[in-house]
Amino acid sequence: DTGVSQDPRHKITKRGQNVTFRCDPISEHNRLYWYRQTLGQGPEFLTYFQNEAQLEKSRLLSDRFSAERPKGSFSTLEIQRTEQGDSAMYLCASSRQGAAEAFFGQGTRLTVV
Amino acid sequence: GEDVEQSLFLSVREGDSSVINCTYTDSSSTYLYWYKQEPGAGLQLLTYIFSNMDMKQDQRLTVLLNKKDKHLSLRIADTQTGDSAIYFCAENDYKLSFGAGTTVTVRA
Repeated sequence: DTGVSQDPRHKITKRGQNVTFRCDPISEHNRLYWYRQTLGQGPEFLTYFQNEAQLEKSRLLSDRFSAERPKGSFSTLEIQRTEQGDSAMYLCASSRQGAAEAFFGQGTRLTVV
Repeated sequence: GEDVEQSLFLSVREGDSSVINCTYTDSSSTYLYWYKQEPGAGLQLLTYIFSNMDMKQDQRLTVLLNKKDKHLSLRIADTQTGDSAIYFCAENDYKLSFGAGTTVTVRA
């Protein structure tokens, strides 16, 4: 399967703990996006990378959130000191620069208890 | 999603056509998209249309774009039970902005 891969699929954590999610984009896709989706809503943009450069961060991305894409391939999204409001589906997508299509992974569902 | 609006629910009988409507605000969007999401899953790209087109057909799917009114629709012909899902309209510049989704329920 050469689609976008996300790991883990599900994560349950206690409030205050740190969590890290991983996204492996489609090979040769130089753009990578992170979105957050809460129940009953569409995905909301968090941040995106072109190669290893993080080009934009949404206001939704508080100081507790950090994303990296160190070698321009896989990316990680870390949430520090998780809060119950962080419970959501975190979606990763990738695309080729200039291409119309963006493809999504299956998401990581985070539950903060 | 505040820039993209969709009706929230649609119920359709199996075999009938479904029409899902969407309005958007960003006239500079290059492409407009329809994504499908099944329970607990990620988003599947169904189809997209370039902003200088007014129609695109892809098998059972027909996309209509009225750029003047900033209105996008998706018609699914011969709707099947496997078409039950949430459908998201999205516009883009370099990132996607989504509507809240339309939940389509197909009844026998």
